Amino acid sequence: GQNIDQPTEMTATEGAIVQINCTYQTSGFNGLFWYQQHAGEAPTFLSYNVLDGLEEKGRFSSFLSRSKGYSYLLLKELQMKDSASYLCAVRESGQAGTALIFGKGTTLSVSS
Amino acid sequence: DTEVTQTPKHLVMGMTNKKSLKCEQHMGHRAMYWYKQKAKKPPELMFVYSYEKLSINESVPSRFSPECPNSSLLNLHLHALQPEDSALYLCASSQTGPTEAFFGQGTRLTVV
Repeated sequence: GQNIDQPTEMTATEGAIVQINCTYQTSGFNGLFWYQQHAGEAPTFLSYNVLDGLEEKGRFSSFLSRSKGYSYLLLKELQMKDSASYLCAVRESGQAGTALIFGKGTTLSVSS
Repeated sequence: DTEVTQTPKHLVMGMTNKKSLKCEQHMGHRAMYWYKQKAKKPPELMFVYSYEKLSINESVPSRFSPECPNSSLLNLHLHALQPEDSALYLCASSQTGPTEAFFGQGTRLTVV
């Protein structure tokens, strides 16, 4: 089974930095992924971590600590268009196969 | 080409109808997925196909019947659905290792 937790909502202002945390408990861990989803659209891939540490991709960075079951997504220089739902997802691998399981998502509102 | 194509984009069907959702990818991905997403909720895993074989069925009712005719195509056959099955149905594909999944734009299904 799996349990993936992230805050339900966050707010921030343009130009600021925001950190969205995700904790997970799962078996067969095979990577942690962050997706962005605007209302009515499909999730789009942002970043992923398989090993511990920080991955940086432009304004977005993601961090993973496997021993703590913890990840965060860091968004810098926030823009209004960053207002969206941010989904933490864990890839699980087991005898039955591999699956990407999503947390409940964090709705981020960026204001001017 | 990092595209997953889903058809139709919108579908309205009655509770006695039979319809099919289609998904296609040409990225050589050998894992394909069906997710169901209700408003303001995260994507919920339904089925996983790995190398054209069903590897995960998340206890989905039999009125949903998946099919993977070949490595590029994934179908979801619908029969005798209920109004509560109205949702956004997302298809995704990935390599079988710890890599990101790419999502299609989804089919917005309404059951009347």
